[in-house]
Amino acid sequence: QVQLVQSGSELKKPGASVKVSCKASEYTFASYDMTWVRQAPGQGLEWMGWINTKTGHPTYAQGFTGRFVFSWDTSVSTAYLQISSLKAEDTAVYYCFVRSLDHWGQGTLVTVSS
Amino acid sequence: DIQMTQSPSSLSASVGDRVTITCRASQGIRNDLGWYQQKPGKAPKRLISAASSLQGGVPSRFSGSGSGTDFTLTISSLQPEDFATYYCLQNNSYPRTFGQGTKVEIK
Repeated sequence: QVQLVQSGSELKKPGASVKVSCKASEYTFASYDMTWVRQAPGQGLEWMGWINTKTGHPTYAQGFTGRFVFSWDTSVSTAYLQISSLKAEDTAVYYCFVRSLDHWGQGTLVTVSS
Repeated sequence: DIQMTQSPSSLSASVGDRVTITCRASQGIRNDLGWYQQKPGKAPKRLISAASSLQGGVPSRFSGSGSGTDFTLTISSLQPEDFATYYCLQNNSYPRTFGQGTKVEIK
């Protein structure tokens, strides 16, 4: 059974950084691109971008350039989302998902508060 | 970027009602559209891909139609477990874009 397991909730102060992980299992990690989606509290889904898991090349949607970095480690079948210089408006649940396999991670809540 | 305009943003309906949600794309996207259901605190779940293909295990009361710019998700007879928020997602071009969501509430 395909699984995407994300790291746990994070509470960070403004200006700090956070790295969210998404560990894949039961499929060939490098065969399917990994997408990241943000959902702010009470809001809709925002497509952040994706990483080509063969090459590691990331693509970012507008609004997610600069402070957001997608990376991957094929040796552990894991994709990462790093957000630097955190702001209160980054408070959200972040999901990884593989659209082709229709599988989502469980989501990681990142809370930014002083 | 392709904009997806979803309507209504919310609706109240009763069990057994027929419910229709629409998504309009700002430019033609062929049939490159999926419909997702999200319940509170859970990840979205895809109901429909390629505008009209029902995913395995999804009840047949859900159906999708449309092509080009106008798409519809229909629930033929609303059940208690269908109260949720629904999103469309275009996968025709990058960046992919979601509709704003439709919250289906109990009347």
